[in-house]
Amino acid sequence: EAGVTQFPSHSVIEKGQTVTLRCDPISGHDNLYWYRRVMGKEIKFLLHFVKESKQDESGMPNNRFLAERTGGTYSTLKVQPAELEDSGVYFCASSHAQGETYEQYFGPGTRLTVT
Amino acid sequence: AQSVTQPDIHITVSEGASLELRCNYSYGATPYLFWYVQSPGQGLQLLLKYFSGDTLVQGIKGFEAEFKRSQSSFNLRKPSVHWSDAAEYFCAVGERFQKLVFGTGTRLLVSP
Repeated sequence: EAGVTQFPSHSVIEKGQTVTLRCDPISGHDNLYWYRRVMGKEIKFLLHFVKESKQDESGMPNNRFLAERTGGTYSTLKVQPAELEDSGVYFCASSHAQGETYEQYFGPGTRLTVT
Repeated sequence: AQSVTQPDIHITVSEGASLELRCNYSYGATPYLFWYVQSPGQGLQLLLKYFSGDTLVQGIKGFEAEFKRSQSSFNLRKPSVHWSDAAEYFCAVGERFQKLVFGTGTRLLVSP
């Protein structure tokens, strides 16, 4: 079974540019989560999809961040325009939405550097 | 508010020595508790989880954790550390099928 995949693994952009991160969850996982770790800080929740619906977006920092999950499969996280403080590692995780197995499986992350 | 405290930012242990990583949490209800590990260049890997039942939980790679409700703790242990255990370890708390709240992580260094 393939794990959670994220693309790109690393992105370097200039302040004011746009970047789109992609996450492919484990097949059959209806839950998809985005997290972010800023240098030296804890991993923080951004938002949670159940299928294509946003269940919880309480962690989204501002309206420069837009997440989508069309068709309930892969998800994208767009940052537009990027600011210096957006630098960090963006993790995606997926899990089942019901049943006995509830743990979240994480992807390798996308390291975003805004210069 | 939910929070997780990992008081040790860095820990160095000798190979073969025992290890204990501390985790304290603040949570309103009975939480789901997790330990994840991140090796260099890798994603987060689940070591073990706890919600109910036996308070001593066995995980992968020889790790175990003990839930102590009275102390709001979920400490991770390993009796004998291997050089390949050098990584960053994260304690997390949450509810079933909901977001996780993470601690700041503990970086483990293993000396020969």
